[in-house]
Amino acid sequence: EAGVAQSPRYKIIEKRQSVAFWCNPISGHATLYWYQQILGQGPKLLIQFQNNGVVDDSQLPKDRFSAERLKGVDSTLKIQPAKLEDSAVYLCASSLDLSGGAGEQFFGPGTRLTVL
Amino acid sequence: LAKTTQPISMDSYEGQEVNITCSHNNIATNDYITWYQQFPSQGPRFIIQGYKTKVTNEVASLFIPADRKSSTLSLPRVSLSDTAVYYCLVGDIRKAAGNKLTFGGGTRVLVKP
Repeated sequence: EAGVAQSPRYKIIEKRQSVAFWCNPISGHATLYWYQQILGQGPKLLIQFQNNGVVDDSQLPKDRFSAERLKGVDSTLKIQPAKLEDSAVYLCASSLDLSGGAGEQFFGPGTRLTVL
Repeated sequence: LAKTTQPISMDSYEGQEVNITCSHNNIATNDYITWYQQFPSQGPRFIIQGYKTKVTNEVASLFIPADRKSSTLSLPRVSLSDTAVYYCLVGDIRKAAGNKLTFGGGTRVLVKP
């Protein structure tokens, strides 16, 4: 079974530029998560989707971050404009859990973003 | 939301058993305890999940006392490849909105030869 796919794996941009990350979850997984992991810290949940809908985006900096999940499958996370403090690894995860609760999550390899 | 506390780091040697204790004094009745493992440059990987007493799978055991205010992840006979960060999470796995499973700082386990 294919795992969670993410692209790109690495991205370097200058501050105030825009960037987008893509995630393809495991087939059939209803719940999709985006996390931000700053070096030396644990992952921080940015947004959680249940099929097409947003379940939780309380920790998403909505003035610069946006995310969507098209047709309940793939998802994109965008940052516009980027700040230095956005340098981090952005992790996508999915779970089969139809209730949207945090059952076993399967993580992708992440996208390492460096903002100069 | 139950907060967790776990040691920042632990050292061990190959072949030893590693026990990592997580404290979660404010755990709620419907909360489950979940452990993840993360290697450098990879996303976290689910290890084990439990509600009470003892859960065992092919890679680890999870011990949860009756008051559920703490839990212990046990890794038997570790090898160098078990060097990783281990995260303890507590939350209601049945809830949707507001569940917000929170990853803390984790425990960095270093296995030495």
